[in-house]
Amino acid sequence: EAGVAQSPRYKIIEKRQSVAFWCNPISGHATLYWYQQILGQGPKLLIQFQNNGVVDDSQLPKDRFSAERLKGVDSTLKIQPAKLEDSAVYLCATRRQGHTEAFFGQGTRLTVV
Amino acid sequence: QKEVEQNSGPLSVPEGAIASLNCTYSDRGSQSFFWYRQYSGKSPELIMSIYSNGDKEDGRFTAQLNKASQYVSLLIRDSQPSDSATYLCAVYRSNTGKLIFGQGTTLQVKP
Repeated sequence: EAGVAQSPRYKIIEKRQSVAFWCNPISGHATLYWYQQILGQGPKLLIQFQNNGVVDDSQLPKDRFSAERLKGVDSTLKIQPAKLEDSAVYLCATRRQGHTEAFFGQGTRLTVV
Repeated sequence: QKEVEQNSGPLSVPEGAIASLNCTYSDRGSQSFFWYRQYSGKSPELIMSIYSNGDKEDGRFTAQLNKASQYVSLLIRDSQPSDSATYLCAVYRSNTGKLIFGQGTTLQVKP
């Protein structure tokens, strides 16, 4: 079974630019999470999808961050415009319906300069 | 109060010793509990899950859960240098499907 796929692995952008991250979940995993992990901290939940619907986005800075999961499979997370404090690893995790265990992709390391 | 709290460490133990990692959580509605291991520069990897009070053993790892005290722990027996990593405690709430992480504890196992 293929794991969670994320791209790109690394991204360097200047502040005020925009950036997008992509996540392809494990086949059949209905729940998809996006996390932000700043160096030295634990993953912070940004948004949670169940199929193509948003379950929770209370921690998503909606003035600059947006996410979608069209067709309930792949998901994209966008930042526009980026700030220096957005430098972090963005992790995607997915979970099968009826199960509680979640599995992570390799993450995208974003550096904003 | 943070939803999931861990001592950030670092916790340093000699090779062969028992490492004890602790976690507390605030929401009594939490039902499933996980330990993830994260090597530097890598993504979190699920190593243990526990759902009911008591102990769960898997090889050198033992997870312990006490719902009354809202406390989860991970014991690593015969610690090896390869166990050096950050260990993340995660708590799942079935009513929302949220999976919340603590800040992680850095473990250093010295040869």
